[in-house]
Amino acid sequence: EVQLVESGGDLVQPGGSLRLSCAASGFPFNIYWMHWVRQAPGQGLVWVSRVNTDGRTTYADSVKGRFDVSRDNSKNTLYLQMNSLRVEDTAVYYCVRLEPDTVTTDYWGQGTLVTVSS
Amino acid sequence: QTVVTQEPSLTVSPGGTVTLTCASSTGAVTSGNYPNWFQQKPGQVPRALIYSTSNKHSWTPARFSGSLLGGKAALTLSGVQPEDEADYYCLLFYGGTQLWVFGGGTKLTVL
Repeated sequence: EVQLVESGGDLVQPGGSLRLSCAASGFPFNIYWMHWVRQAPGQGLVWVSRVNTDGRTTYADSVKGRFDVSRDNSKNTLYLQMNSLRVEDTAVYYCVRLEPDTVTTDYWGQGTLVTVSS
Repeated sequence: QTVVTQEPSLTVSPGGTVTLTCASSTGAVTSGNYPNWFQQKPGQVPRALIYSTSNKHSWTPARFSGSLLGGKAALTLSGVQPEDEADYYCLLFYGGTQLWVFGGGTKLTVL
């Protein structure tokens, strides 16, 4: 059974940093690309970033230069390092699996809540 | 800044048919945008429905279908059920920039 379990969400002050983790199981993590997607309270889904199997990354303009996505295939874990956090970064953050051959975005984690507030 | 546009809201009667669309500010949506569709019910995690324009996941009900229609990606629900009331999101891939963009979502009401 495919499982994605996010953790690390917390209340943080503006300008602060936070690292999210996503533990993957039930599939060969090393051959899948992964997304981070976020959803502010009562709002729609927003794509944040993607990491390839070899660690190459892309980011939405809104987080470029502030967020850093990485993966440790030996630990089957995806990370999102978030720096210079802003109030507008407040959201539930989901890790999502992406199958690269068919460009299929399929399994989602349950999400972790990041609240940026003073 | 690429914008992906969906109908903010649609209403359909039980048993009816409804088509949701997904347009790109850069021009016509093509198979190269690999349109994906997701359903999200209140308080739940989004669930994948369609990938690469028209392919269904193993769990996708047969009444859901995806296509390209008039330069847009489209999600058609035929024989709508009350449990289909939800928010629906499309996701497009832009190969030139290697970026992904979600549409703003369509709130589907079954009434």
